[in-house]
Amino acid sequence: EVHLVESGGGLVQPGGSLRLSCAGSGFTVSTNYMTWVRQAPGRGLEWVSIIYIDGNTYYADSVRGRFIISRDHSQNTVFLQMNSLRPEDTAVYYCARGDYNAYFDYWGQGTLVTVSS
Amino acid sequence: EIVLTQSPDFQSVTPKEKVTITCRASQNIGRSLHWYQQKPDQSPKLLIKYASQPFSGVPSRFSGSGSGTDFTLTINSLEAEDAAMYYCHQSSNSWTFGQGTKVEIK
Repeated sequence: EVHLVESGGGLVQPGGSLRLSCAGSGFTVSTNYMTWVRQAPGRGLEWVSIIYIDGNTYYADSVRGRFIISRDHSQNTVFLQMNSLRPEDTAVYYCARGDYNAYFDYWGQGTLVTVSS
Repeated sequence: EIVLTQSPDFQSVTPKEKVTITCRASQNIGRSLHWYQQKPDQSPKLLIKYASQPFSGVPSRFSGSGSGTDFTLTINSLEAEDAAMYYCHQSSNSWTFGQGTKVEIK
């Protein structure tokens, strides 16, 4: 059974950094497309970043240059390093598995990131 | 950026009624359109992929149609457990989501 568990969220000051983790089970992270999607409080879904099977990475304009997606095969985990955080980055961050870099078929439960002084 | 516009934003429906949600893309996206359901305090769940293909385990009352710029999610004979937010999502050029449609049970 495919399962995703995010961790690493919390309260951080503007300008600070945070690293989110997403541990997969029931499948191999490095042979799948893995993505991060966020949802600000009371708002809709916003795609953030994706890592392809070949290792190529892509980012939304709103986070490019500040966030870095990566993965570790030995831990079967995907990461999101978030730097220069802004209040508008406050959201629940979900990781999800992508199928053919198209739809997202399995999602984690999310981890809340709050950027505030 | 491809913009997806859903309508309506909100729908209040009685059980067993039929629900129709539309999603319009700002440019032709073929059939690269997917639908998700998100219940309160839960993560999104995939319902329909590539406009009309139901995802594994999704009840048969959920169906999708459309291509190009206009798409529809239909819930036949609404059940109380279908109260949720519904989002469309395109993967033709980068990835974007519609603003969501809230379905409430009367």
